[in-house]
Amino acid sequence: DAGITQSPRHKVTETGTPVTLRCHQTENHRYMYWYRQDPGHGLRLIHYSYGVKDTDKGEVSDGYSVSRSKTEDFLLTLESATSSQTSVYFCAISAGTANTEAFFGQGTRLTVV
Amino acid sequence: AQSVTQPDIHITVSEGASLELRCNYSYGATPYLFWYVQSPGQGLQLLLKYFSGDTLVQGIKGFEAEFKRSQSSFNLRKPSVHWSDAAEYFCAVGAFIGAGNNRKLIWGLGTSLAVNP
Repeated sequence: DAGITQSPRHKVTETGTPVTLRCHQTENHRYMYWYRQDPGHGLRLIHYSYGVKDTDKGEVSDGYSVSRSKTEDFLLTLESATSSQTSVYFCAISAGTANTEAFFGQGTRLTVV
Repeated sequence: AQSVTQPDIHITVSEGASLELRCNYSYGATPYLFWYVQSPGQGLQLLLKYFSGDTLVQGIKGFEAEFKRSQSSFNLRKPSVHWSDAAEYFCAVGAFIGAGNNRKLIWGLGTSLAVNP
């Protein structure tokens, strides 16, 4: 299995509080992605990174920010959590060439109450 | 527009029966195609992928998929389903983001497979 660790695995937080999710890889892959998975919506890309300090928005980036200060770590921050951000969040990594697949972490289940 | 369609939201088959999960894509260039499986409470695991060459590709766990360019399809098959195959299956196509060479995967919404004993 690809070395991807997400933390925490489960979190309950209150509306309006900031939350940071961490993705750590040991594969030295260039690309890292944050997705959210919701019933009926499949996987939706939040943000991605194509190198240290190089990040860009995905299709559902509002309310989220990311940072990548080291190759191995990609942080997702919910600045002020809302109930609509209750979801399962997945981190993925990829070497990024045209024919390489993505490897996924185990997910973080976030509940905003 | 780039998209992936999995027409079947939910499928139920009997153990030992054959399985085919459908995937249709819309992408202007040569597609890079993937099938992933997600067991309950788990992340996604790659089953197989197609980039070029032989249009019938073999994957893990006895799965195979056939790329048909004329039909824009990449259907997943298994000749005999096991109870442990019950899971969510996702089809994806690799696409490029923005003006650079950055990549992302475009996902179908998934097909949930139930297996009756």
